[in-house]
Amino acid sequence: QSALTQPASVSGSPGQSITISCTGTSTDVGGHNYVFWYQQPPGKAPKLVIYEVSNRPSGVSNRFSGSKSGNTASLTISGLQAEDEADYYCSSYTSSSTYVFGSGTKVSVL
Amino acid sequence: EVQLVESGGGLVQPGGSPRLSCAASAFTFSSYAMSWVRQAPGKGLEWVSIISDSGGNTYYADSVKGRFTISRDNSKNTLYLQMNSLRAEDTAIYYCAKTIFGVASDAFDIWGQGTMVTVSS
Repeated sequence: QSALTQPASVSGSPGQSITISCTGTSTDVGGHNYVFWYQQPPGKAPKLVIYEVSNRPSGVSNRFSGSKSGNTASLTISGLQAEDEADYYCSSYTSSSTYVFGSGTKVSVL
Repeated sequence: EVQLVESGGGLVQPGGSPRLSCAASAFTFSSYAMSWVRQAPGKGLEWVSIISDSGGNTYYADSVKGRFTISRDNSKNTLYLQMNSLRAEDTAIYYCAKTIFGVASDAFDIWGQGTMVTVSS
C-alpha cells in the first residue's frame, strides 16, 4: 500500500487560510468516507482533528474543516494561528481492511 | 482522563523479539478496536496493526505481516505487540491508539506518548 500523496510543506500568514491536499486511489480515499486528518506538533503524539472526511472531534477548533472530491481529500485551516504550526497527516481506511497514512505536510506560519 | 501508556521499548539486537504493552485507563477498553502506529526517526506515520474489540479480528501492514502479532487482554485493559525478527528498519517510536467509535475502520482519537524501539547491534 503506497502512502497517500501530500505536499511537503504549506505556509501562510497569520489570519490567512491554507489548504492541504491528500491524494489516494479508489481503494482508499475515493472508496468511502473513512478519511482522517491528524496534527502532530514537534516531539508530540498525533492529535485527531478531522474524522470521516469532515467531522471535528469535540474540542477541535472550527477553524479546521475537511472535504473530499473523488480520490482527493483536503484539510483547510482558516484564520491561521502560530499554534497551528505542526506536521499534518491524512489517513484513510482501505479496501484491504488496513490503513494508510499520507506522507505528511509541514505547516509554517510566516 | 482517558489515557494510553506504552512500555517495552528500548535497544534491541537485530533478530530480537520484544513485546510492547499499552495500558489503557478511564474508558471501556473491551468496547474499542485498538491499533499500533509507528514513526521512524524524522519520518512520517506508518500504520502497523489493528485488533477488534473482542480480539477476534486482526490486520497488519505488509511490512510487518508474519513477524508482528497484535493481541489484547480485556481483563487487564492492555494491548500488546509481539515483535519478532526485528530489522534495522523497524526502528521507530511505536504509538498505541484507540478508535473513536470502536470499529476497526474509523479514526484514532486517543494516542499514547509512544515507546521508542531501536534495532541495532
